[in-house]
Amino acid sequence: GQNIDQPTEMTATEGAIVQINCTYQTSGFNGLFWYQQHAGEAPTFLSYNVLDGLEEKGRFSSFLSRSKGYSYLLLKELQMKDSASYLCAVRLYSGNTPLVFGKGTRLSVIA
Amino acid sequence: DTEVTQTPKHLVMGMTNKKSLKCEQHMGHRAMYWYKQKAKKPPELMFVYSYEKLSINESVPSRFSPECPNSSLLNLHLHALQPEDSALYLCASSPTDRVGNTIYFGEGSWLTVV
Repeated sequence: GQNIDQPTEMTATEGAIVQINCTYQTSGFNGLFWYQQHAGEAPTFLSYNVLDGLEEKGRFSSFLSRSKGYSYLLLKELQMKDSASYLCAVRLYSGNTPLVFGKGTRLSVIA
Repeated sequence: DTEVTQTPKHLVMGMTNKKSLKCEQHMGHRAMYWYKQKAKKPPELMFVYSYEKLSINESVPSRFSPECPNSSLLNLHLHALQPEDSALYLCASSPTDRVGNTIYFGEGSWLTVV
């Protein structure tokens, strides 16, 4: 089976930096995605990694190490609106294949 | 424009009703998906359509019947559902055959079966 692990919950302070880790053991790998999902809303795309290294996009960065089956999402200068679930998802194969999601990490940003 | 539009946003139906969820995208994407999401759980894949043909059915009960009338539209027909089918149903789409193409989600349809 496919195994994607993330911490269930995290809490961080407004203005701080938080790192959300994701490890995966899957039958294939064709890229790792991070989505943000606010309660009651659909997931929105944050980042994508297929090669090792860091991808930076404003306050959000994502890192991938394929040899370790590991990724993290880094959120800087946290804002209250960043309180949400963060979903790590792996695309197993190339082409129009769906994503396999981790269970998500619920991040609470406190003042 | 990275918009996937779903209607209705909320649906309440009885166990003997027949209803449909609709999804539309005009991004030229040729893959479309239905996911089901229960509270505090990740999305679970139900169906994948690629070039208007059903390519993946994740052993979904026949009371859910997908339909892809054309490359922009995806429907999910619902009949004789159970209360445990109450969930958020997410439609998504992605471009064709490009490594790393992103999946874009609609806002979802909240379904309550009574």
